[in-house]
Amino acid sequence: QVQLVESGGGLVQPGRSPRLSCAASGFTFSAYAMHWVRQAPGKGLEWVAVVAYDGSNKDYADSVKGRFTISRDNSKRTMYLQMNSLRAEDTAVYYCARLGEKRGFDYWGQGTLVTVSS
Amino acid sequence: DIQLTQSPSTLSASVGDRVTITCRASQSVITWLAWYQQKPGKGPKLLISDTSTLESGVPSRFSGSGSGTEFTLTIRSLQPDDSATYYCQHYNSYLFGGGTKVEIK
Repeated sequence: QVQLVESGGGLVQPGRSPRLSCAASGFTFSAYAMHWVRQAPGKGLEWVAVVAYDGSNKDYADSVKGRFTISRDNSKRTMYLQMNSLRAEDTAVYYCARLGEKRGFDYWGQGTLVTVSS
Repeated sequence: DIQLTQSPSTLSASVGDRVTITCRASQSVITWLAWYQQKPGKGPKLLISDTSTLESGVPSRFSGSGSGTEFTLTIRSLQPDDSATYYCQHYNSYLFGGGTKVEIK
């Protein structure tokens, strides 16, 4: 079955640069665009970034543009989110999600919590 | 930029009630809208795509309708398992609505 497993979260000091990973299994990873979505504590969902199936195209929310970089390694069936210049307002659970054939996000991971604090 | 406004932000209803959640877009999104259900501590689950297409395995008591700027998610007969927060999403911008928390009385 389709599985998405995020990792790399934790307590991070402001200004540090962690990298999140999303390991995929159960489907042809290289055929699907993938997304990162975040959710601050007690808040709603916020789309963060998307990478095309082959990594050729990427897009970002204005709130992270210039600070975060999305990438993927299809040989490892893994997507990444490099997070630079972290701020307290980046504190959130970060989910990876697959863009389904009907254009909704049809599979989601369980999320990884990133807490930005000194 | 498109904005999605969901209403109400919270609703409380009894088992068996008909529940309707509205998602209004600041400009037309055609029918490019999806609905998700999220339970505490879990990732969201896709319920409906293309405004009204029910995902496989989603109970038939859920339905979606609308076009242009106004959309609705309806739960025909509310069940205890439906207690969750529901979000609409516009495909092209990936933007989410603010969410509607559904509680069981």
